[in-house]
Amino acid sequence: QKEVEQNSGPLSVPEGAIASLNCTYSDRVSQSFFWYRQYSGKSPELIMSIYSNGDKEDGRFTAQLNKASQYVSLLIRDSQPSDSATYLCAVNLPGNQFYFGTGTSLTVIP
Amino acid sequence: GAVVSQHPSRVICKSGTSVKIECRSLDFQATTMFWYRQFPKQSLMLMATSNEGSKATYEQGVEKDKFLINHASLTLSTLTVTSAHPEDSSFYICSARVGQYSPLHFGNGTRLTVT
Repeated sequence: QKEVEQNSGPLSVPEGAIASLNCTYSDRVSQSFFWYRQYSGKSPELIMSIYSNGDKEDGRFTAQLNKASQYVSLLIRDSQPSDSATYLCAVNLPGNQFYFGTGTSLTVIP
Repeated sequence: GAVVSQHPSRVICKSGTSVKIECRSLDFQATTMFWYRQFPKQSLMLMATSNEGSKATYEQGVEKDKFLINHASLTLSTLTVTSAHPEDSSFYICSARVGQYSPLHFGNGTRLTVT
């Protein structure tokens, strides 16, 4: 079983809609959780960090963490064509262990 | 804050030559840096963890004699691809973080093409 699982997509949403991206992780000692955005040909860019259960909002982005269910999600409100990218979920375990999911490809259709 | 600078951004070299890639943490000290490789349309693959003042830890399947990592200071790690071959052509990305539970911050990556 992979440490971090994501649906590879592609996920397509119309402009202005809410995009919902999901991620599950296998290790219960996971301590911190991150979402990165990666445009084609570029390196990943951090967009959200979340450390405790519940929701964390930053502009159009909301990260949700449920440690009991080992589930992390990212909601993008009012999706824009510029949000079209691959979104990577990442999980931090003790001892410098950092695991990435394979990414979900999102396309926002104008 | 937490800026990671990587140089060069793009390099083309001939088969058999060596290429050095530099990764610097500009506004923080990084005792640990991470080197990733990414082939087109594939996931990030961790190559090695670079530790300041000690030997790097390589992932299974990564040849330590081919991919030389040096982490001589708290702000600089280098990756040298020795005797490069066309199959080494890839996107190499370094990353670092401020603290144990903080996120990784990535450099802009180096696109290596070996002809």
